Amino acid sequence: EPEVTQTPSHQVTQMGQEVILRCVPISNHLYFYWYRQILGQKVEFLVSFYNNEISEKSEIFDDQFSVERPDGSNFTLKIRSTKLEDSAMYFCASSGGPLTGNTIYFGEGSWLTVV
Amino acid sequence: SQQGEEDPQALSIQEGENATMNCSYKTSINNLQWYRQNSGRGLVHLILIRSNEREKHSGRLRVTLDTSKKSSSLLITASRAADTASYFCATGESDKLIFGTGTRLQVFP
Repeated sequence: EPEVTQTPSHQVTQMGQEVILRCVPISNHLYFYWYRQILGQKVEFLVSFYNNEISEKSEIFDDQFSVERPDGSNFTLKIRSTKLEDSAMYFCASSGGPLTGNTIYFGEGSWLTVV
Repeated sequence: SQQGEEDPQALSIQEGENATMNCSYKTSINNLQWYRQNSGRGLVHLILIRSNEREKHSGRLRVTLDTSKKSSSLLITASRAADTASYFCATGESDKLIFGTGTRLQVFP
């Protein structure tokens, strides 16, 4: 069964450092997302991406965050200067959109710990 | 904001029993999706139910949707220890999902 894959599974970084989280969405999917889950809290929407541009973003997704689809398969989330409060599980997700029923599939997540 | 809020927050049952989890939301939706999350792991998609559907089945799972009450329920029949996980509903209007706080289900063997 096709799946969303994410790397790294765990990353520890020092405050102020840049982090790039990588994702390979399901092949042929057109809609891509990043969500995050702070330990013990809700899963929160960060950003959606379609047709090579951001379609929607939340208040969390400030100027420190950026997304990119550098080639036909990868989708990345960059945090420019990490803060302690960025520590969370980051989930990448993808969807085929309305033509496939709008089901959104998630990856296993990348644990980010900022120290 | 449209939020799925699950009830109960935690549920403990014996293997073989049925587990029912409820979800309420606030605004109009196009669909509602249920996910399972094992501790520290990713979100596994269970079922999507559209706003014009009232009930949907998948194996031991049954999902209902009542748009007049803005609520949904997830029923897991004949539960197994492997069903132990957190279960989330997520409401979608455009292509964004809003997740609830989840129900932590513990199934004892």
